[in-house]
Amino acid sequence: EVQLVESGGGLVKPGGSLRLSCVGSGFTFNSFTLNWVRQAPGKGLEWLSSIRIGSSYIFHADSIKGRFTISRGDAPNSVSLQMDNLRAEDTAVYYCARVKKGEAVAFDIWGQGTMVTVSS
Amino acid sequence: QSLLTQPPSASGTPGQRVTISCSGSSSNIGSHNVNWYQHLPGTAPKLLIYTDSHRPSGVPDRFSGSKSGTSASLAISGLQSEDEADYYCATWDDNLNVPVFGGGTKLTVL
Repeated sequence: EVQLVESGGGLVKPGGSLRLSCVGSGFTFNSFTLNWVRQAPGKGLEWLSSIRIGSSYIFHADSIKGRFTISRGDAPNSVSLQMDNLRAEDTAVYYCARVKKGEAVAFDIWGQGTMVTVSS
Repeated sequence: QSLLTQPPSASGTPGQRVTISCSGSSSNIGSHNVNWYQHLPGTAPKLLIYTDSHRPSGVPDRFSGSKSGTSASLAISGLQSEDEADYYCATWDDNLNVPVFGGGTKLTVL
């Protein structure tokens, strides 16, 4: 079964850090572009970052540039999102999503999401 | 404020046909394919329509997408109670050089 599983969310104080992980299975991980997308409480979906493993293709949204970094994960078939200097407005469910081949913004496989709460 | 404008809400009765619009500009919808997502609370978003009008395997043909100029639409025919969800359009934007989502439309089945 093709799937993505996120982990690493939790409660963190403002200014703190968290590292999210997304592990893929059931597909050739390095052949796809992986993304992080979040949804804050009561808000819509917000694209954050994209990475294609093995290439220089890495993009971040302006809203998180300089604070969040997407990278290849430590585990096989995984990507990470390092989140530093967290703010209350970063509180959200964070999803990992795979891009369908041939279509840049068609995220065809999503993880179940991991909740990040930034609060003192 | 999203670059892609969707109505915040839409509604219909079972069996009805509803449409959800997504308005953009020449730097996004006018130049790139539009994709649509269905998001039910507590679940992962689901790709509903890709490349303007194509349905992934398993998506009922009650769902259809179209695009004209700098606007796109999602149509749902034969509305069912399980269609009650949030719907998002998404595409690439050339000015930001990143993917962008619409603000989302909450569909209520009356």
